Order: sequence, then C-alpha cells, then structure tokens
Amino acid sequence: AQKITQTQPGMFVQEKEAVTLDCTYDTSDQSYGLFWYKQPSSGEMIFLIYQGSYDEQNATEGRYSLNFQKARKSANLVISASQLGDSAMYFCAMREVPLGGSYIPTFGRGTSLIVHP
Amino acid sequence: GAGVSQSPRYKVAKRGQDVALRCDPISGHVSLFWYQQALGQGPEFLTYFQNEAQLDKSGLPSDRFFAERPEGSVSTLKIQRTQKEDSAVYLCASSRASSGNTIYFGEGSWLTVV
Repeated sequence: AQKITQTQPGMFVQEKEAVTLDCTYDTSDQSYGLFWYKQPSSGEMIFLIYQGSYDEQNATEGRYSLNFQKARKSANLVISASQLGDSAMYFCAMREVPLGGSYIPTFGRGTSLIVHP
Repeated sequence: GAGVSQSPRYKVAKRGQDVALRCDPISGHVSLFWYQQALGQGPEFLTYFQNEAQLDKSGLPSDRFFAERPEGSVSTLKIQRTQKEDSAVYLCASSRASSGNTIYFGEGSWLTVV
C-alpha cells in the first residue's frame, strides 16, 4: 500500500498566486515526521519544510507553509506568491519509526508545478 | 564540506560493466541513505547506514547492488554487471542523527546503462 499519496501529477499556477500541493499519508505510528522537497530539473532534492506529528502548529518557512490535518492524515504544502523559479517537481515524504528503529523516509510520486507569467 | 557531495555526476556504462558511486555526506552526519530515482518517479529507498553500520538494505534490488561505509563517513554504492534497468539517478542523503528532522540530499549520480 502507498504510504504517501500525491494525487496531482501536474499543477499550473500564475505568477504571484498561491498554490496548494496535496499530500496524504498512511501510518499507524504516533510519532512520525513529514517533509516536503523541491526537485528542479538539475536533480538536486532541496529540503523545504518539516512537520512533526506532535507539533501543534503548522510549520512555516518563508513562502512555504504546511497545512497539517492529523485526523485526516493530510500534509498539504502551500506556496504563497508563486515565482517563476518555483517551477519544479515537489515531493512529500514521511519518516516513521519501525520496529528496527531505523528512520527511513518514504517518498510520494511527486507533483510537477509549473508557474507561468 | 557544506553539503552532500556525490560523484560522478554523470556516468555512462556499458551493460555488464561494474560502476561505483561515491557519496561524501555532511561532516558529522551520522545517518546516510541511498535512494534510486527512475525518470518521472519519486525516490525509492535502497539502503541506510548509521555510522559504519548498515542497518537496513531491504531496498537493494538485487545482489548486484552493494553499499559500504567503512569509516562512518564516505559511502560507496557499487553496482556489478550493470543492466539497462539500472539506469536511474542515485541519490545520497544524510542527517545529523537517526532521529534527525532534516535530511539533506546531494545532487545525485545520473547513471545511464547502454
């Protein structure tokens, strides 16, 4: 079963508008972490934002915010005031603690965001 | 160094050739991960080290894949007798501790098997 689901293969947004990228996750653990990464065409995975399962407030980093709805197992990324340089693949990931104790992030399939002028 | 460094950035191998991909994590980072990313897909987990110990290798697709981190810093992913289906980007990542909140990736090694 998919642990991370990103239902939007592609999204378009106009420059300066806000956009929400969806992510739902599946876990039975109480303690876990959620991440978003940006991957431009150069290939590097760039860390954007992190949300811990026990964090009561939504994480924010500059123009990025994570809309964390724990009961719905949802961790959507909101990008405000989109810029042309935001065009990239975006990946949602989750880190659980399995019995072996290893923290191994699992990634979704990604959403391609295109920002147009 | 300032970030995770991977080499080579690009590698073209003939089918059947052995390749070695190097990862130099951020100094002091205990945890090191290898992922494989096929075109248009998300990264898929290969293996995980905590210091020099390989704690999880459940994602290695076959016994042709081998990874090591003998001194707990630099890691090498070796692929023996490469096949066309091995063509992918191989991403290395590191974090400060096993419970580290932020995992930093390198730029990846793009492997093409012809």
